[in-house]
Amino acid sequence: EAGVAQSPRYKIIEKRQSVAFWCNPISGHATLYWYQQILGQGPKLLIQFQNNGVVDDSQLPKDRFSAERLKGVDSTLKIQPAKLEDSAVYLCASSSGQGSEKLFFGSGTQLSVL
Amino acid sequence: EDQVTQSPEALRLQEGESSSLNCSYTVSGLRGLFWYRQDPGKGPEFLFTLYSAGEEKEKERLKATLTKKESFLHITAPKPEDSATYLCAVRAASGGSYIPTFGRGTSLIVHP
Repeated sequence: EAGVAQSPRYKIIEKRQSVAFWCNPISGHATLYWYQQILGQGPKLLIQFQNNGVVDDSQLPKDRFSAERLKGVDSTLKIQPAKLEDSAVYLCASSSGQGSEKLFFGSGTQLSVL
Repeated sequence: EDQVTQSPEALRLQEGESSSLNCSYTVSGLRGLFWYRQDPGKGPEFLFTLYSAGEEKEKERLKATLTKKESFLHITAPKPEDSATYLCAVRAASGGSYIPTFGRGTSLIVHP
């Protein structure tokens, strides 16, 4: 079974530039999550999708971050404009449903904002 | 506000030296406590789910337990390959949905 795919693996940008991350969840998984993990901290939920609808985005900085999940499969997370404090690993995870136990994570995109 | 606190932040053990990691939580409407392992440069990998106080689960050298306020991850006779960051997460009901919230993790290093 293929795992959660994320790209790019690394990204370096300057502040005020824009950047986008892509995630392809495990086939058939209805729930998709984007987490932000700052060095030395645990993952922080940014947004949770159920199919192509948003379940929770209360911690998403909506003035600069946006996410979409068209057709309930792939998802894209965008930052525009980026700030220095956005430097982090952006993890995508999926699960078969909101009530399911396991989250399956991708390897993440490491973003450095200079 | 829901909180998940893990201790210690870092732990160094000698191979074979057993110890425990702690995860304390304050949530309403708990719908599961999870343990994940995270290796450098990788995403977290699922280990266990616990649902009710008194529940225990084991996998190789790891054993997870749950009380009403905290969970322990016991590591028996650890090996260097057990070195990783161990993350605790709780899933609580929130307005009809289930939001997984992670702690900061415990970084474990096992020396040969």
